Formats: sequence, structure tokens, C-alpha cells
Amino acid sequence: GQQLNQSPQSMFIQEGEDVSMNCTSSSIFNTWLWYKQDPGEGPVLLIALYKAGELTSNGRLTAQFGITRKDSFLNISASIPSDVGIYFCAYTTGNTPLVFGKGTRLSVIA
Amino acid sequence: GAGVSQSPRYKVAKRGQDVALRCDPISGHVSLFWYQQALGQGPEFLTYFQNEAQLDKSGLPSDRFFAERPEGSVSTLKIQRTQQEDSAVYLCASSLRGGRGNEKLFFGSGTQLSVL
Repeated sequence: GQQLNQSPQSMFIQEGEDVSMNCTSSSIFNTWLWYKQDPGEGPVLLIALYKAGELTSNGRLTAQFGITRKDSFLNISASIPSDVGIYFCAYTTGNTPLVFGKGTRLSVIA
Repeated sequence: GAGVSQSPRYKVAKRGQDVALRCDPISGHVSLFWYQQALGQGPEFLTYFQNEAQLDKSGLPSDRFFAERPEGSVSTLKIQRTQQEDSAVYLCASSLRGGRGNEKLFFGSGTQLSVL
């Protein structure tokens, strides 16, 4: 499948700070997804995006589907210790299984 | 159960040994997926079932990998003659509706396989 490029690969932030991460691809997709994986667990769906330009929030999380349909970003406001984990972007064309990026590893320092 | 259950949580195998990994999906979920997650990487697709039918096995890395879901619920991923490169976390996911392109997957906690 197409490769997804996630950045940054890892980040260390202070509790209370805002976080921003993004995901890019050379191809156009119809659906962008953000999953979070806690240590020792499977990924959990955070946000699904279906339209170019769409901005969707889930609590302190906000994600946007880029206008070009080749990128997406995820913001976390006022981070807390339980935000620690790996954040994956993923896509599906509608008829293909989910393809995941390599993830952004977030560490929160209290 | 309330979620996807996988067993065992950890499996240590000697190279050349056969292993079987079990997945109990959420009751009533039509779709079941297996993914492989190497250390420091994202999950990579292995195979997909819709009920008992294996509709896509394009991600299985070799003919040593075999999966089944005979009654459309529990699934088993079998790896024959394990090799060190098989060491990874094997994740199972299920989804209520059919279709490979499901975005709303519910993952289990995975089986961490270590081949020595």
C-alpha cells in the first residue's frame, strides 16, 4: 500500500502543553483515521475524517482532513499523562484494509 | 465478552516450532482482521474474514501462515515452522459490518510472539 509519513516520530512534552502531529501521503485518499495505542494494548479509533477540509473534535482532540486530501493533522490540547501512547494515522480507499503509518510516540512529563 | 479477546498474551517459541494464536471477536461482528505489528512499526494487514469466508489473505508473508474462522466467530492464526523474523505482536480486530474497507475496527490487546 501507499506509505504514510508521520511526523514527528516521537515527542516529549510537559503536562498542560498542546501537541500537534501530522500525516502525509503522495496519494489522495477518501478517508483519514487517527488511532491511539496505549502500551500493551491494541489501537483504538479516535477520529474518522471523510471530507476534504473536514475539522472534527473529540474532547481535547481535534483532527483535520487536508484540502489536498493528501494530509491530515491531529492536535491535542492541554495534554495530560494519560495522553501517553502511540498515535497512528491510517487510511482506507473504501475497499482496502486499513493501512497504518509508523506512528508518533508521545511522552508526557508531569 | 465486551471486547476482542486474544490468547495467549505472550508466546515464546523455539525456532521451527508451530504456534496457534486465538481471537474471540465481539459477538455479532461480521468482519475479522489479523494484523502484524513489528517493534516500532504500525500494524500491517495480514488477512480478512467476512463471517467464515476468508476474502483476503494478500498480507500473509509466506505459506507458513494460515488463518481460519470455521464458524464465523472465533479465529485462529497458525504459524508453522516459526522463524525469528516472525517475532512481533499479532493483533486481531473485528467490525460490526462487512467489507475490507471498514474504518471502525475494534482491536484486541494482541499476542506478543517471541521466536528464539
